[in-house]
Amino acid sequence: SAVISQKPSRDICQRGTSLTIQCQVDSQVTMMFWYRQQPGQSLTLIATANQGSEATYESGFVIDKFPISRPNLTFSTLTVSNMSPEDSSIYLCSVDTGQGEETQYFGPGTRLLVL
Amino acid sequence: GEDVEQSLFLSVREGDSSVINCTYTDSSSTYLYWYKQEPGAGLQLLTYIFSNMDMKQDQRLTVLLNKKDKHLSLRIADTQTGDSAIYFCAEKRDDYKLSFGAGTTVTVRA
Repeated sequence: SAVISQKPSRDICQRGTSLTIQCQVDSQVTMMFWYRQQPGQSLTLIATANQGSEATYESGFVIDKFPISRPNLTFSTLTVSNMSPEDSSIYLCSVDTGQGEETQYFGPGTRLLVL
Repeated sequence: GEDVEQSLFLSVREGDSSVINCTYTDSSSTYLYWYKQEPGAGLQLLTYIFSNMDMKQDQRLTVLLNKKDKHLSLRIADTQTGDSAIYFCAEKRDDYKLSFGAGTTVTVRA
């Protein structure tokens, strides 16, 4: 299994500002992902955070809006840039433990409210 | 439309069994998952099943997979008030990405 922590757990931000969310895992993992859960909705994949290279973004998400860092195998950050009220969501990171266990665990999420 | 579909709501009496259904479309899915989300909380992995299995049991949870019909179900025996939550079905594709259903809100009534 993997234990994942996220910081901050929640925040209230003003429109036009940026927020960086941190994700820390207690073991080295190859696969890390960032998801968004809009109010009352399901989860949508934003991007795959690749260690040592640029993140791979899903359709509808761009690097300028959601820059991602992955400096090592236990840590990643997601920045929500130039925020608007439409960015109010829960942002979750997840890790896939890969071959042998094949399970995907989620962090507790960061609850973001943009005013 | 979504690749994974679930019914949105389920109401069940305490002590009865709950059955949550899910259909998916990607025949190359390798694993299928059930997650639980309580109010204000993150996603808790409940159980998962490999695509070449047809059943998995774990205490009060039973997962049934019909690969031919691309149908997945989660049965919760002896449903308790602590089981009230949103349950998400998800499929894992070859690229390790998860595709989620809309979630089923389960309400347990006394």
